[in-house]
Amino acid sequence: GAVVSQHPSWVICKSGTSVKIECRSLDFQATTMFWYRQFPKQSLMLMATSNEGSKATYEQGVEKDKFLINHASLTLSTLTVTSAHPEDSSFYICSAPEVRDRGFTLHFGNGTRLTVT
Amino acid sequence: AQKITQTQPGMFVQEKEAVTLDCTYDTSDPSYGLFWYKQPSSGEMIFLIYQGSYDQQNATEGRYSLNFQKARKSANLVISASQLGDSAMYFCAMREGLVARQLTFGSGTQLTVLP
Repeated sequence: GAVVSQHPSWVICKSGTSVKIECRSLDFQATTMFWYRQFPKQSLMLMATSNEGSKATYEQGVEKDKFLINHASLTLSTLTVTSAHPEDSSFYICSAPEVRDRGFTLHFGNGTRLTVT
Repeated sequence: AQKITQTQPGMFVQEKEAVTLDCTYDTSDPSYGLFWYKQPSSGEMIFLIYQGSYDQQNATEGRYSLNFQKARKSANLVISASQLGDSAMYFCAMREGLVARQLTFGSGTQLTVLP
């Protein structure tokens, strides 16, 4: 069945460096991808919506210059955390809707656990 | 106001018994969808069940059923015959409108199944 592949599954980086997270839709085209952030023992919060061929839409309070989103193709969206700081340590997860005849199915990546030291 | 409210941060259930996880929602849009996801400690989001606002019958998927009470704006998840592998975090989520694809999640309920 259709899946969303997210890489890396975990990453540890030093403060001040940048980290890129990739989400790739397999077997279907994703013109839209959603990026969520989840702090420990908390809910998933929508950060931004990436759209193929246009600029991403960011939720209120999310710094677009810090969290760079690029939807390079119909199957690939990337989130780059620039100049990461320890407070950016979190679980990042993407999701992509697959449009079907009677609506859509939402597929999630397996998430990326980011630790900034 | 919270769009999705899950009032039970943690729940315990004995193996083989049924358990109900509560979820209430708030929307003024007549068209919406309600989802339940399971998130084990590994982090992946596992889709369990879906209920559309216009669906006449409560959704069921194997051991999962959704007790949809539209007038009360509640969409409780019922897990029958609990198994040890059901221990996980459970999230209720909502999609609003006909076009929207993104979900708004509740705060989650940590379910622990006891042997």
